[in-house]
Amino acid sequence: KAGVTQTPRYLIKTRGQQVTLSCSPISGHRSVSWYQQTPGQGLQFLFEYFSETQRNKGNFPGRFSGRQFSNSRSEMNVSTLELGDSALYLCASSLSGRAGDTQYFGPGTRLTVL
Amino acid sequence: AQTVTQSQPEMSVQEAETVTLSCTYDTSENNYYLFWYKQPPSRQMILVIRQEAYKQQNATENRFSVNFQKAAKSFSLKISDSQLGDTAMYFCAFMKRPNNAGNMLTFGGGTRLMVKP
Repeated sequence: KAGVTQTPRYLIKTRGQQVTLSCSPISGHRSVSWYQQTPGQGLQFLFEYFSETQRNKGNFPGRFSGRQFSNSRSEMNVSTLELGDSALYLCASSLSGRAGDTQYFGPGTRLTVL
Repeated sequence: AQTVTQSQPEMSVQEAETVTLSCTYDTSENNYYLFWYKQPPSRQMILVIRQEAYKQQNATENRFSVNFQKAAKSFSLKISDSQLGDTAMYFCAFMKRPNNAGNMLTFGGGTRLMVKP
């Protein structure tokens, strides 16, 4: 079974632009979570989607948004990019989204904001 | 809010030896899950081991085992017979078990482990 895939793998943007990242979960998985990883703040939870509904949200500004499609694929969008948004964005999927379900991570999208 | 602390930013171990990575957490929850994830230089995060807080028995997965001390809120990872492929960042993570379903991992800052030949 194919793992979690994320596209693109690398992205360079300038301040003020917006960006959309994509995540395809493992086949059959219905929950998708997003995390931001930076050297300074470490790994931080962004949001979780299950059955096209946002179920949990981390402490990030409204510039960060996401959605999930009926096939469980998810996208996250960051508008009005800031230098501090440079990070590795990780997507993780789990089968049912129940608490305790193992989350399987994708390789990440490395976003650089200039 | 939950916090997870990994007090060892970096560690090294000789190949074939045993190493223990520390993790403490702070929570008012009684039911929760704890995880150790490994992130090799390739960046793909991989689950190493999982512990359910209501199970007293320590989880074991081949060369990896945990020492779960619920009262002390401690969750250390022991790697036996260390191999070069164990070189990676190791993250301890917490997930609470609420009444409503949901996934949200709270991660520690990580421990960079280097296995030396």
